[in-house]
Amino acid sequence: EVQLVQSGAEVKKPGESLKISCKGSGYSFTSYWIGWVRQMPGKGLEWMGIIYPGDSDTRYSPSFQGQVTISADKSISTAYLQWSSLKASDTAMYYCARHGDTAMVTGYYYYMDVWGKGTTVTVSS
Amino acid sequence: DIQMTQSPSSLSASVGDRVTITCRASQSISSYLNWYQQKPGKAPKLLIYAASSLQSGVPSRFSGSGSGTDFTLTISSLQPEDFATYYCQQSYSTPPAFGQGTRLEIK
Repeated sequence: EVQLVQSGAEVKKPGESLKISCKGSGYSFTSYWIGWVRQMPGKGLEWMGIIYPGDSDTRYSPSFQGQVTISADKSISTAYLQWSSLKASDTAMYYCARHGDTAMVTGYYYYMDVWGKGTTVTVSS
Repeated sequence: DIQMTQSPSSLSASVGDRVTITCRASQSISSYLNWYQQKPGKAPKLLIYAASSLQSGVPSRFSGSGSGTDFTLTISSLQPEDFATYYCQQSYSTPPAFGQGTRLEIK
């Protein structure tokens, strides 16, 4: 079974650092991009960035560039999302998702086809 | 960056109804459009990719159409398990932005 298993809920104080994880199984981890999506309480989905575990090529949304770091350890099929100094506004659910892809006559399409269950991050003094 | 706008933001409907949700891109994205369903407390689920291709395992009552800037998600006959929030997402360029979501509620 293809799945992504995320690390557990975190409660942190402002200014603390944090690294959450997303472990893939059931497929070739190095052959698919892994993305991270933020969902603030009661709000919509925000795409944060992606990494290709095969070579650690990483892309960020301008909204999150410099705010978080995405990394991966292909030896243990795990992607990471980390903060060096958390803010209260980082309180949210964070999902990782695999970027599947399909080549069609009309083009090459990608989409987020396998999702982790999410990691809740709460930042409060 | 490409902006995605969904309408309506919320919608009330009954079991058996036909429902259409619209998504508009701020510039042409060809057919690079995905639809997701999210139920409360759950991760999103991919329904449709490439504007009209049904993801494996998704019921055929879901369908997508459109190209360029205007897209629709249609549920032909609402089932109780379809009451959820739906998001569109463009995959034409980075960042692949989501729409703000459409909450589908029971009337």
